[in-house]
Amino acid sequence: DSGVTQTPKHLITATGQRVTLRCSPRSGDLSVYWYQQSLDQGLQFLIHYYNGEERAKGNILERFSAQQFPDLHSELNLSSLELGDSALYFCASSGGVSYNSPLHFGNGTRLTVT
Amino acid sequence: ELKVEQNPLFLSMQEGKNYTIYCNYSTTSDRLYWYRQDPGKSLESLFVLLSNGAVKQEGRLMASLDTKARLSTLHITAAVHDLSATYFCAVDRIIQGAQKLVFGQGTRLTINP
Repeated sequence: DSGVTQTPKHLITATGQRVTLRCSPRSGDLSVYWYQQSLDQGLQFLIHYYNGEERAKGNILERFSAQQFPDLHSELNLSSLELGDSALYFCASSGGVSYNSPLHFGNGTRLTVT
Repeated sequence: ELKVEQNPLFLSMQEGKNYTIYCNYSTTSDRLYWYRQDPGKSLESLFVLLSNGAVKQEGRLMASLDTKARLSTLHITAAVHDLSATYFCAVDRIIQGAQKLVFGQGTRLTINP
C-alpha cells in the first residue's frame, strides 16, 4: 500500500458530463501529481501541485482543472467529457523537501466515458 | 522537450534467462526512476538513480545509469514468472522548483515457464 488514496475506483459517465476525481496524498507529502494513462498515449503528466500551489503543467486539456486544498488533498475536475478521455487517472505524491524520493502512486481511477 | 524511449516495448522470455531493458532520454536530467506495473494495478517504485554510474540491485533486477550516454538499463537475471509485468523508466527535471516526470512507453515483459 503506497499510502495514496484515490476515489472513486471506477467511474462511468456519458459524453458532455463533468466528473471530479479525488486524491489524498501520503501523510506528510506536500506534492501531488496527476497522470493520465491510456493505451495510445501511455502515461502522460497532467499537473503538479506543491503545498496548495500549482508548480508545473503538462499535457492537460483546458477542459481539465485541478486544485490542492489546505489539507493537501487534491481534486482533478474533468468537464465536457469526450470518449477519448476514457483512461486510468493516477494521483501520486512525494515528500516536499527532497526531490530524490520516488513518486508514490495511488491505485488510480478508471474513467469510462460512453 | 524531454523525451524518454524504452526498448524493447514487448519482451517474451523463458524462465532462467537474462535480459536487459534500455531507457534512453533526450536531455540532461536530474534523476531516473524505474517502476513496475502489474495489469490494472498501480505503479510500484523499483529504483531511483541519482548520479552517473549509479547501480542499484534488488533481487533479480539491477538498474544502472550512464548520464553521459543518457541511458539507463534494467537487467533481469535468471528471470522467474513473478517478474512478468510492465516496466517503466521515468526521467525528471527540476526547473524553478517544479518537478516534471516524463515516462517512457513501458516494456511489457512476459516470462514463460
